[in-house]
Amino acid sequence: DAGITQSPRYKITETGRQVTLMCHQTWSHSYMFWYRQDLGHGLRLIYYSAAADITDKGEVPDGYVVSRSKTENFPLTLESATRSQTSVYFCASSESGQSNEKLFFGSGTQLSVL
Amino acid sequence: QKEVEQNSGPLSVPEGAIASLNCTYSDRGSQSFFWYRQYSGKSPELIMFIYSNGDKEDGRFTAQLNKASQYVSLLIRDSQPSDSATYLCAVKRSWGKLQFGAGTQVVVTP
Repeated sequence: DAGITQSPRYKITETGRQVTLMCHQTWSHSYMFWYRQDLGHGLRLIYYSAAADITDKGEVPDGYVVSRSKTENFPLTLESATRSQTSVYFCASSESGQSNEKLFFGSGTQLSVL
Repeated sequence: QKEVEQNSGPLSVPEGAIASLNCTYSDRGSQSFFWYRQYSGKSPELIMFIYSNGDKEDGRFTAQLNKASQYVSLLIRDSQPSDSATYLCAVKRSWGKLQFGAGTQVVVTP
């Protein structure tokens, strides 16, 4: 089915390990986003991308790396996972950055760092 | 001060009543506003967006925007148990980004 898919759905890792969360969309949307969701904080933007090879930091980028070599993929890497990165991660996409353009969300990845 | 603020709730609403959710924002230049609904363990889904002052209705949902007061609200009429969820207010920023409030939990009681 067309849409935006995230993998894995659940991930448990240890402190210090590198972890990559995958995001794939089939709409050829230009814009893609990574958010994390924590109790009391709502959704906070980690990184975003306006097109292939164009990425920029969001509100909470420290400890994360992104790449976008192809329009449809936007992986998020935790270079050395910490317990504070335990969270639910959502990938989202939109066709453009216009003011009325809505974001479509993936199903999320629940990450636990032990 | 958070840039997008919502009461965390929970907001308890009897079935059939009107649920009123409020959201304030700090950036006076904000243009577009979105309401998302999120069920527990699920991803956010869009309910409505609004960009003009006044009311916008869609079925049982009405969004209200007052840019002078920097205030946006969501009314849910004839609340149903299936409306029990967390409602997220979001403000559109540059480059297509959405900035979210922490969300208001709504509980509809039979």
